[in-house]
Amino acid sequence: DIQMTQSPSSLSASVGDRVTITCRASQDIRTSLVWFQQRPGKAPKSLIYGASTLRSGVPSRFSGSGSGTDFTLTVSSLQPEDFAIYYCQHYNAYPLTFGGGTKVEMK
Amino acid sequence: EVQLVESGGGLVQPGGSLRLSCVASGFIFSDFHMDWVRQAPGKGLEWVGRSRNKGRSYNTEYAASVRGRFSISRDESKNTLYLQMSSLKAEDTAVYYCVRDNGGDYWGQGTLVTVSS
Repeated sequence: DIQMTQSPSSLSASVGDRVTITCRASQDIRTSLVWFQQRPGKAPKSLIYGASTLRSGVPSRFSGSGSGTDFTLTVSSLQPEDFAIYYCQHYNAYPLTFGGGTKVEMK
Repeated sequence: EVQLVESGGGLVQPGGSLRLSCVASGFIFSDFHMDWVRQAPGKGLEWVGRSRNKGRSYNTEYAASVRGRFSISRDESKNTLYLQMSSLKAEDTAVYYCVRDNGGDYWGQGTLVTVSS
């Protein structure tokens, strides 16, 4: 199985900060990666697929990059609604697996 | 508008069975792979399994943790995805989500399954 390792597991930031979350796959997954955002009590929301394609309606302050085994999600200027948990997931092979999540908290 | 509405969750004893349903609307159900994803209380996301689309004969895949105990099926006439769960364990306690596979673009609201005596 492909293991997905996210770092950090949590971070504290302020509104306006630039935030970067990394996701590492245990083997080459090309660009078969999705980033999700989950707010408390809500279902996850897809932000980026194909490692770098922003889903329609998602603010442009979100961006994704990477291929192979190393990926990043960047929020260029953190907004109040961005405090949430972020997950990566690969879809290169079965079983699909998620990273452990990164909680973005207010400093 | 795409909608996924799960139902069927509840309290079940260890060793028991439960069937979850997910009614889909707003898209051609048979065209899409569909997943079940679960989230234990306070924990991360876990992929449970997939029903491929009609073009792939609705073939299924499962996580190792549920293989042999859970079964995914569809009723095309009802636009409904099912998750039949048996031999339930305490560690199956979670919110279960139905997810459309297009990069996980649509999720249901989730249904809570609690396995406890």
